[in-house]
Amino acid sequence: GQNIDQPTEMTATEGAIVQINCTYQTSGFNGLFWYQQHAGEAPTFLSYNVLDGLEEKGRFSSFLSRSKGYSYLLLKELQMKDSASYLCAVRDWVDRGSTLGRLYFGRGTQLTVWP
Amino acid sequence: DVKVTQSSRYLVKRTGEKVFLECVQDMDHENMFWYRQDPGLGLRLIYFSYDVKMKEKGDIPEGYSVSREKKERFSLILESASTNQTSMYLCASSLRDRGVYGYTFGSGTRLTVV
Repeated sequence: GQNIDQPTEMTATEGAIVQINCTYQTSGFNGLFWYQQHAGEAPTFLSYNVLDGLEEKGRFSSFLSRSKGYSYLLLKELQMKDSASYLCAVRDWVDRGSTLGRLYFGRGTQLTVWP
Repeated sequence: DVKVTQSSRYLVKRTGEKVFLECVQDMDHENMFWYRQDPGLGLRLIYFSYDVKMKEKGDIPEGYSVSREKKERFSLILESASTNQTSMYLCASSLRDRGVYGYTFGSGTRLTVV
């Protein structure tokens, strides 16, 4: 089966750095994604990792270790607007010809940024 | 930009009604998905489709059906709405097995069944 774990809640203060961890056990792997979801809104894409290492994009970075089944999202210089739920998702690769590309989601980490 | 459009942002329906949720995407994506999202439970896959007229059950298909008559449109049908189907429903689309963005989501439909 598919199992993706991430902490339920985290808090931090403005200007700080926070790291949100995600561990996964999946039968196939074709990439790991992070999405941001503000309350009442749809998830929006943040980052994508398919090879081991760190991907940096402005204040956000994402790391992947495939051998350890581990990823983290690093948010620097936190702002109040970063308060949101952060979803870790792994894309399946099941070679059945027609059912490629499903994402398996963790339950999300609710980040609260305090002034 | 890929756009995924859900027909309604908010819906209120009565128990026993047949409910249609519509989703349209404009980037020729092969895959389309319907999820529901509930507090503490995360995103749960109801049904998905990888081609026109093709569909597969997700993790919680009971009480739902889907229709994909055209590539750009994927409809979710609640045959007889019940109060436990009150939820946020999210549609998403993606390229079949590639793409660095994964899914693109619609803005969601918050359905209340009374």
